[in-house]
Amino acid sequence: NAGVTQTPKFQVLKTGQSMTLQCAQDMNHEYMSWYRQDPGMGLRLIHYSVGAGITDQGEVPNGYNVSRSTTEDFPLRLLSAAPSQTSVYFCASSYSIEGGGWRSPLHFGNGTRLTVT
Amino acid sequence: KNEVEQSPQNLTAQEGEFITINCSYSVGISALHWLQQHPGGGIVSLFMLSSGKKKHGRLIATINIQEKHSSLHITASHPRDSAVYICAVIAETQGGSEKLVFGKGTKLTVNP
Repeated sequence: NAGVTQTPKFQVLKTGQSMTLQCAQDMNHEYMSWYRQDPGMGLRLIHYSVGAGITDQGEVPNGYNVSRSTTEDFPLRLLSAAPSQTSVYFCASSYSIEGGGWRSPLHFGNGTRLTVT
Repeated sequence: KNEVEQSPQNLTAQEGEFITINCSYSVGISALHWLQQHPGGGIVSLFMLSSGKKKHGRLIATINIQEKHSSLHITASHPRDSAVYICAVIAETQGGSEKLVFGKGTKLTVNP
């Protein structure tokens, strides 16, 4: 199993450009989530999904869109990149148990380092 | 004030020492994760616990939900334990749902 795969590993964008960060998992996990990690701050939840067709906002959703058309994929879209979105982005997945998917081990991708100039 | 506080922020130890990393939180939680972030950036889940104690190899995690505190212990530390250790709580929200809130991490360096 590949686990959680994120692409690309690195990306440089100019302000105003759009792009999609890809996240795929092959563990049939119901929960998938996106985080950003900035220096001096903890991981912060951007968006999450509890299953195909269902998404919800996290702590810092502004400027990002998500969709979940399949169990395997959970792409994160930046419609108009801003320098404030320079960060390292992590995708994670987990299986759903009684009480929800946050209570099972989180499986993280290797991250995408995004720079917006 | 952050909802999740970790201490210390940085910790340097000699190989073989017993390590303790603390996590305190100010919100109601149902459970807590300990994660390890390697120097290369990858994040691995170590423990998820809602009560008591869990042990895996040289790692031990404890939690006291009532006292709003959890600890991660590493026995016989080794340079390969050098990493950032992150506490994440499953916090209860007013709406009845749950959210993940992360601490800023503790950077551990173990010298040979």
